[in-house]
Amino acid sequence: NAGVTQTPKFQVLKTGQSMTLQCAQDMNHEYMSWYRQDPGMGLRLIHYSVGAGITDQGEVPNGYNVSRSTTEDFPLRLLSAAPSQTSVYFCASSPWTSGRIVSYNEQFFGPGTRLTVL
Amino acid sequence: RKEVEQDPGPFNVPEGATVAFNCTYSNSASQSFFWYRQDCRKEPKLLMSVYSSGNEDGRFTAQLNRASQYISLLIRDSKLSDSATYLCVVERVSNTGKLIFGQGTTLQVKP
Repeated sequence: NAGVTQTPKFQVLKTGQSMTLQCAQDMNHEYMSWYRQDPGMGLRLIHYSVGAGITDQGEVPNGYNVSRSTTEDFPLRLLSAAPSQTSVYFCASSPWTSGRIVSYNEQFFGPGTRLTVL
Repeated sequence: RKEVEQDPGPFNVPEGATVAFNCTYSNSASQSFFWYRQDCRKEPKLLMSVYSSGNEDGRFTAQLNRASQYISLLIRDSKLSDSATYLCVVERVSNTGKLIFGQGTTLQVKP
C-alpha cells in the first residue's frame, strides 16, 4: 500500500492563480481531510469528507473548494491564490463507519505540499 | 485564547533525562485526546491516544486531567531519536474527526 499520497510536493504560485492539490489514498478509508500548517498556529482543518459525494467545511474553508467523486481521491482547489495561503498542506484519511471514526490509531497523513504564493 | 495551548519550547535535555510536556484545552465538552509526533518537515504521526485512566506505551506515559482540562506527556530515558515536535490534539466533537491541534512543543535531546 502507498498509504496517503500528495502531489505536488512543492509549488510556487503568483497571486490570483488557481491550482489543485491532489490527495489519494489506497486504504479504502471513507474519511478524508485537508489541513494547513502555519508557524505558531498548529494544523487547522480546511475541509473534510466522510465519503464519496459528501464534503463539509472545517475551521478555515474560505478560499478553498473540495470535491469527493471517489473514495480514493480528495483534491483541494485554490480558486484565486493569495499570499495568506502560503502554507504547508496535509491531507489525512481514516476509516469511518456508522457516523464515527473507527480507530484513530489508523489515521494517516500524507507527506504534505509546500505552497508559496507570491 | 487558543482552544489548545502548548508551550512551544524548545526543551533541550540530555540523553537519559525525563521530560514532561503539558497541554491545556478550553472546550470542556471535548472527549478524545491524542499526542502526535512530527519530525522536521514531515507529516504528523499518531504517538498515542490519551485515556481518562492514563496510559503508558514503553517510555511514554500520557495523562488526562478533565477537571483542570490539561493533558500531559511524560518521556522517560530520552533518546536522541525522540527529538521532534510533539503535538497535543483534541477532538472538538466526539467521533467526528474534527481535530484541534496545538502548535506543538519542540524537544531536542542532546548527547
